[in-house]
Amino acid sequence: DAKTTQPPSMDCAEGRAANLPCNHSTISGNEYVYWYRQIHSQGPQYIIHGLKNNETNEMASLIITEDRKSSTLILPHATLRDTAVYYCIVRVAGAGGTSYGKLTFGQGTILTVHP
Amino acid sequence: DAGVTQSPTHLIKTRGQHVTLRCSPISGHKSVSWYQQVLGQGPQFIFQYYEKEERGRGNFPDRFSARQFPNYSSELNVNALLLGDSALYLCASSIGTDGGKLFFGSGTQLSVL
Repeated sequence: DAKTTQPPSMDCAEGRAANLPCNHSTISGNEYVYWYRQIHSQGPQYIIHGLKNNETNEMASLIITEDRKSSTLILPHATLRDTAVYYCIVRVAGAGGTSYGKLTFGQGTILTVHP
Repeated sequence: DAGVTQSPTHLIKTRGQHVTLRCSPISGHKSVSWYQQVLGQGPQFIFQYYEKEERGRGNFPDRFSARQFPNYSSELNVNALLLGDSALYLCASSIGTDGGKLFFGSGTQLSVL
């Protein structure tokens, strides 16, 4: 799985959009970008994933650059409950064999949402 | 619907002891993965089981073992505990069609003294 680079921490004002960047310059053509977050004392929570097109769901939007070497997770209206560690992960979706169920987490970005 | 449940939530052991951690996946999920999360680090992959067979193993010593039962619940066993085994142990399940979309439990916090 490709290595990702994220800023260690970011701040955001409540009600504003939070834009979390991720660099994955060595991503392969068959690797998807996944985002998870982990709120204190809880297990990681799946947010969204995508291959090359922008994706949106009820939680967030994912913008992937055309060359796929970086992406941005957007929380459109951040709330205090969005304070968490956000992990960007790249992997081959639907991978079987020994990759099944394996996610390689990095250090992530600590997002702090302020009132 | 119940999410992934893990037991116990907290556990204190001493060096050299053995520990068993338990996980019940979401109903209908056939894949269970185990992760170790040391304080300040991201989770690290330990094992993955699918349809009761080990399908993947991370870089952990043989002191770590696991199994999956016919009802798809799972146990993680750690023998000869070391101080460095102190961590949050997370279990995750998936329905089996997208190995990247995992549903995690809240974990078992293991402290080894």
